[in-house]
Amino acid sequence: GENVEQHPSTLSVQEGDSAVIKCTYSDSASNYFPWYKQELGKRPQLIIDIRSNVGEKKDQRIAVTLNKTAKHFSLHITETQPEDSAVYFCAASKTGANSKLTFGKGITLSVRP
Amino acid sequence: SQTIHQWPATLVQPVGSPLSLECTVEGTSNPNLYWYRQAAGRGLQLLFYSVGIGQISSEVPQNLSASRPQDRQFILSSKKLLLSDSGFYLCAWTVGGSYGYTFGSGTRLTVV
Repeated sequence: GENVEQHPSTLSVQEGDSAVIKCTYSDSASNYFPWYKQELGKRPQLIIDIRSNVGEKKDQRIAVTLNKTAKHFSLHITETQPEDSAVYFCAASKTGANSKLTFGKGITLSVRP
Repeated sequence: SQTIHQWPATLVQPVGSPLSLECTVEGTSNPNLYWYRQAAGRGLQLLFYSVGIGQISSEVPQNLSASRPQDRQFILSSKKLLLSDSGFYLCAWTVGGSYGYTFGSGTRLTVV
């Protein structure tokens, strides 16, 4: 089955700096890669996703890049703010009726004011 | 619009007691439904998923079970809870497998 690894496990940045979180996946058939943000005690929420037919996607301060050859994808957050502090999960799946997301273990991002 | 309801929000149960957590989805038909568990400070572990009524796939052998008695209802159960069952239980749904999951608000279960 799919295996998603996420690194580093913690990341601390200064407010205003950029943050990059990287994930690797094992199943070359995976074609859908979402990122989730989970604030303390709350549910994970989808913040951005990318499908394997594109290499990059942006939404305001966040972007995701995908390298299918190397089987890794990254989340980029620019101009970080204290409210970006949270746990971020990457995930991968194949699309289809029986799809199921495999999540990485999460990274705790801390943005220092 | 689609919404997902999950209850209860918190639950404290003694070891050996039964468990029933319920999740319902509104505003869509034939969703894929999922149960995930998140241990304290850990990642999301897929427990069960269902692509239709009565169709349940188990990902991890354990003392939990799941049922889908109606199209938009997903239930997680246990006959006898273990201490290791403590965690944050999340229900999620998607349609067609092509979109990101939407999670319910979760149930924080503490087994004492």
